[in-house]
Amino acid sequence: DVKVTQSSRYLVKRTGEKVFLECVQDMDHENMFWYRQDPGLGLRLIYFSYDVKMKEKGDIPEGYSVSREKKERFSLILESASTNQTSMYLCASRPNRDREGGTNEKLFFGSGTQLSVL
Amino acid sequence: LAKTTQPISMDSYEGQEVNITCSHNNIATNDYITWYQQFPSQGPRFIIQGYKTKVTNEVASLFIPADRKSSTLSLPRVSLSDTAVYYCLVGALLSGSARQLTFGSGTQLTVLP
Repeated sequence: DVKVTQSSRYLVKRTGEKVFLECVQDMDHENMFWYRQDPGLGLRLIYFSYDVKMKEKGDIPEGYSVSREKKERFSLILESASTNQTSMYLCASRPNRDREGGTNEKLFFGSGTQLSVL
Repeated sequence: LAKTTQPISMDSYEGQEVNITCSHNNIATNDYITWYQQFPSQGPRFIIQGYKTKVTNEVASLFIPADRKSSTLSLPRVSLSDTAVYYCLVGALLSGSARQLTFGSGTQLTVLP
């Protein structure tokens, strides 16, 4: 089974701190994604990466950056945390092709990191 | 990019069939439609994926009309454990392998005894 591991389940930080959220997947997937989830707003895409060192902005990239130095690891960085970044952060990965060689939209999610910024 | 719209919530009773519809008027030719299930404090889990017509697996069926501007997730004979949020997702091919995958706002399904 695919495993997507997020480094922390719960995190509490202070306003202005630099925050790193780490995500590791063990299935050699090319694509990785960071979403945040807030009550009533569903999942919103922050950034995604389709290859090592490649990144694309999602719908809400402001206040965030990402790093993908290795294929298995995708980091989300909050340069200066603010209270409106308190949220559940979900990492996901996806291969380019499924086992049959077709296009694959199947995402594998981690358990999430609940970040509180005080 | 295709935007998706779903009902905010639905209630059903155990043993009934539940149909949840997602609207995606701007779906592109290359886009697939995928549905996910999410329980509290967990990441979403893949349920089913389709491109057109009907797809069925051991968990659900997915109906997609010819114009592909909507899709309907069908859950047969729901049980209390099917209470969850259900998300519709449409992919957008940007370039090469880059696909932006955007979720709808989700439908909270509550199954009552």
